[in-house]
Amino acid sequence: DADVTQTPRNRITKTGKRIMLECSQTKGHDRMYWYRQDPGLGLQLIYYSFDVKDINKGEISDGYSVSRQAQAKFSLSLESAIPNQTALYFCATSVAGVTGELFFGEGSRLTVL
Amino acid sequence: AQTVTQSQPEMSVQEAETVTLSCTYDTSESDYYLFWYKQPPSRQMILVIRQEAYKQQNATENRFSVNFQKAAKSFSLKISDSQLGDAAMYFCAYRSTTSGTYKYIFGTGTRLKVLA
Repeated sequence: DADVTQTPRNRITKTGKRIMLECSQTKGHDRMYWYRQDPGLGLQLIYYSFDVKDINKGEISDGYSVSRQAQAKFSLSLESAIPNQTALYFCATSVAGVTGELFFGEGSRLTVL
Repeated sequence: AQTVTQSQPEMSVQEAETVTLSCTYDTSESDYYLFWYKQPPSRQMILVIRQEAYKQQNATENRFSVNFQKAAKSFSLKISDSQLGDAAMYFCAYRSTTSGTYKYIFGTGTRLKVLA
């Protein structure tokens, strides 16, 4: 089983619908992140959380919200989806210090019609 | 602000040959981490190699090695004996070591095609 699990893997929805992407991890990491990937733009940070009581906006947080339900769970919500939110979304975790690398989930491809 | 630039949107290499992917970055910090991530068609992001800026020795992981030029702010990835399974998007990434810093900066990626 994957250490960082995202659900759903793929979702097609309509403009104006509320959608939630969920992320859970078994790595025991405190830090969790949501990224968005668009062709030609690399990965852009939406939100990040260093622990359950710590939520911070990233570069492109408008139109998104998050919830850190537990150390292992970090959900991303689109309250009213719009077509330009069509993208590949990644959840990631990391440990403070040490090697500093990000550990990614398998991605959630969201299409907003 | 830090930036990461990958100037090659796409590269091709013949199977068994060697290819080098370029990455440059801009920072005023003296200590940081650099990474190369691979994204195959399965879309999973996989760490290929990391380099700590304080280390002068270039990192190596099997067929993958880097050429880290700190003064030039360059971090290229060399793939030797290329295999069909190396075909993927490759992303260069930077991370500050400043305490409390959250930010990883990613380049826009280089798509590598491996020709049989």
